[in-house]
Amino acid sequence: GNSVTQMEGPVTLSEEAFLTINCTYTATGYPSLFWYVQYPGEGLQLLLKATKADDKGSNKGFEATYRKETTSFHLEKGSVQVSDSAVYFCALSDQGSWGAQKLVFGQGTRLTINP
Amino acid sequence: DAGVTQSPTHLIKTRGQQVTLRCSPKSGHDTVSWYQQALGQGPQFIFQYYEEEERQRGNFPDRFSGHQFPNYSSELNVNALLLGDSALYLCASSSRGLRTNSPLHFGNGTRLTVT
Repeated sequence: GNSVTQMEGPVTLSEEAFLTINCTYTATGYPSLFWYVQYPGEGLQLLLKATKADDKGSNKGFEATYRKETTSFHLEKGSVQVSDSAVYFCALSDQGSWGAQKLVFGQGTRLTINP
Repeated sequence: DAGVTQSPTHLIKTRGQQVTLRCSPKSGHDTVSWYQQALGQGPQFIFQYYEEEERQRGNFPDRFSGHQFPNYSSELNVNALLLGDSALYLCASSSRGLRTNSPLHFGNGTRLTVT
């Protein structure tokens, strides 16, 4: 079945450092790919998405490119801030016949940014 | 514009008991999905409701059941609770329609503790 594998955390960086969180997937067909972020005590918020190969999703300085040849969707940010501290989830859509999305998530990567 | 709301926020139950969790979707959304997020893990899909019917189901036993009401709100019921059912239960809503990539909007979840 479809699955998502993320780099294990936790990840701790200093403010203004460069961030990469690796994500690879296994899927049949052509799923959409997502990054969600979860702040303490909150639900998941969509950070960015890409719906086809070579698409780049971007939001709030974060970027990820849908690489079909390497089945990857790595999350990057050039200069992280303390406010970026959260848990990040990579996910793919396992789209059912009803058109609404069913997501398959990775295990999450906890990111802590120190001032 | 209210987002996805879930109640209660926290719940403590004893093994063998039954529990009901509630969800109101974001305004304009007609499809509700439920996810279970164990501590330190990514969310796992339980099931999805549209037009008051279960449309898709993940790998969860029949102890997990649900309902969707005419106003699109939804309930998740879990019978014969086990310690392993302790988790954060997330509700997500979306608009099925013709926009097959309509993004999921998540609530903040209900934290269930089974003792």
